[in-house]
Amino acid sequence: KQEVTQIPAALSVPEGENLVLNCSFTDSAIYNLQWFRQDPGKGLTSLLLIQSSQREQTSGRLNASLDKSSGRSTLYIAASQPGDSATYLCAVVDSNYQLIWGAGTKLIIKP
Amino acid sequence: GAGVSQSPSNKVTEKGKDVELRCDPISGHTALYWYRQRLGQGLEFLIYFQGNSAPDKSGLPSDRFSAERTGESVSTLTIQRTQQEDSAVYLCASSPILPDTQYFGPGTRLTVL
Repeated sequence: KQEVTQIPAALSVPEGENLVLNCSFTDSAIYNLQWFRQDPGKGLTSLLLIQSSQREQTSGRLNASLDKSSGRSTLYIAASQPGDSATYLCAVVDSNYQLIWGAGTKLIIKP
Repeated sequence: GAGVSQSPSNKVTEKGKDVELRCDPISGHTALYWYRQRLGQGLEFLIYFQGNSAPDKSGLPSDRFSAERTGESVSTLTIQRTQQEDSAVYLCASSPILPDTQYFGPGTRLTVL
C-alpha cells in the first residue's frame, strides 16, 4: 500500500531564506508526483508536476526534484516571502490512478 | 479560462437526509476526481472518472456514497442518509487526461447536524 510522508510537519523561517520541504513515498510504481499549496479557506493550487521519468521541474522560485528509486522528492523554495506561507502538500499518482497524499508541511514565513 | 467549479459552496443538512454535490470540470478535461478532507485531516481519495466511467469505486467510504458523471462534463456525488461523520470538505478536481496535473475546485463544505 502506497504511503506518502512529509517532513517536517511545520516549518517557520525568516523571510528571504531558502528552504527545502521533503516528501517520501513507499512504492516507486508511480505515474507522477505533484506538489500543491493549500491556503486557509481556499482551494488547492497545483505548483509542480514531475512525471515518473523526470528528475526535476522548475517554476519561478520553486524547484521540485524526484528520485523515484529512493522514493523521495524535495520542494526547494528560493528567497522565501511572507506570501509563501501556506500548507504544502505532496501527492503521488499510483498505479491505480489514485492520488495518494502526504499530510502536508505547514510553512510560515516571518517578515 | 474557467476553472473547476463546485456547488453548493456550503451545505448544512440534518442527519439522515440525502445530499447531492455537484462538480463542473474544466471544459475538455476527460478525467475527474472526488476527494474528502475532514477537519484537521489529510485528503482522502474517493473516486475518479475517465470520461463517464468509474473503474474503481473502492475508495467510496460506504454504500451510502455514489457518484456519476454525464459524458465528460458535470459530475455529482450523492450521499444518502447522511451521518455526522460525513461532515467534511468535498473537493473535486479535473485533469486533461489520466494521469496529469489535477486542477481543484474550491470545495463544498458539508456539515451534518
